[in-house]
Amino acid sequence: GQSLEQPSEVTAVEGAIVQINCTYQTSGFYGLSWYQQHDGGAPTFLSYNALDGLEETGRFSSFLSRSDSYGYLLLQELQMKDSASYFCALPPGVFGTGTRLLVSP
Amino acid sequence: DSGVTQTPKHLITATGQRVTLRCSPRSGDLSVYWYQQSLDQGLQFLIQYYNGEERAKGNILERFSAQQFPDLHSELNLSSLELGDSALYFCASSVSGTKNTEAFFGQGTRLTVV
Repeated sequence: GQSLEQPSEVTAVEGAIVQINCTYQTSGFYGLSWYQQHDGGAPTFLSYNALDGLEETGRFSSFLSRSDSYGYLLLQELQMKDSASYFCALPPGVFGTGTRLLVSP
Repeated sequence: DSGVTQTPKHLITATGQRVTLRCSPRSGDLSVYWYQQSLDQGLQFLIQYYNGEERAKGNILERFSAQQFPDLHSELNLSSLELGDSALYFCASSVSGTKNTEAFFGQGTRLTVV
């Protein structure tokens, strides 16, 4: 089977940098995706890593190490609107437990 | 707007009843996924269909079933409903069946079982 683990909650202040970790177990690897979900809303896609290394998309970056079965999402220049839940996911559609990010002024 | 349409948006029904949730994927997407999200919980993967065929199964109860039709829309059937089935049910779609780089989610159907 597949499983992913994330910290349940992370707190940070506006303007700071925060890292959300994800460790996974899977028999066949096709990449690691990241999604954001605001309360009451639908998840939206943020980033995807198929190969080792860092992928950058604006203020968000995602890193993958296949040998360590580990990835992280890096959020820079945090804004209040970044307060949300963040999920890592493995194809075909299995999501991690989710990390709730709370950004304070 | 993700391009994925789910109906209805809200549904209230009694225990023991049966309901059908509908999902229309984005144009061109062949995969449809169904998820259950209970209050303050993560996204529980239920099932995936790809071009009409079941592709992957998650923690879907025997009381639940799904199908994908030739026009690629999908339906999730929930029967013998229990209070614990109250949740937000999401549908998502993607182009690929396996190497899923990005899935697009509908706004969900909120099911309340009373």
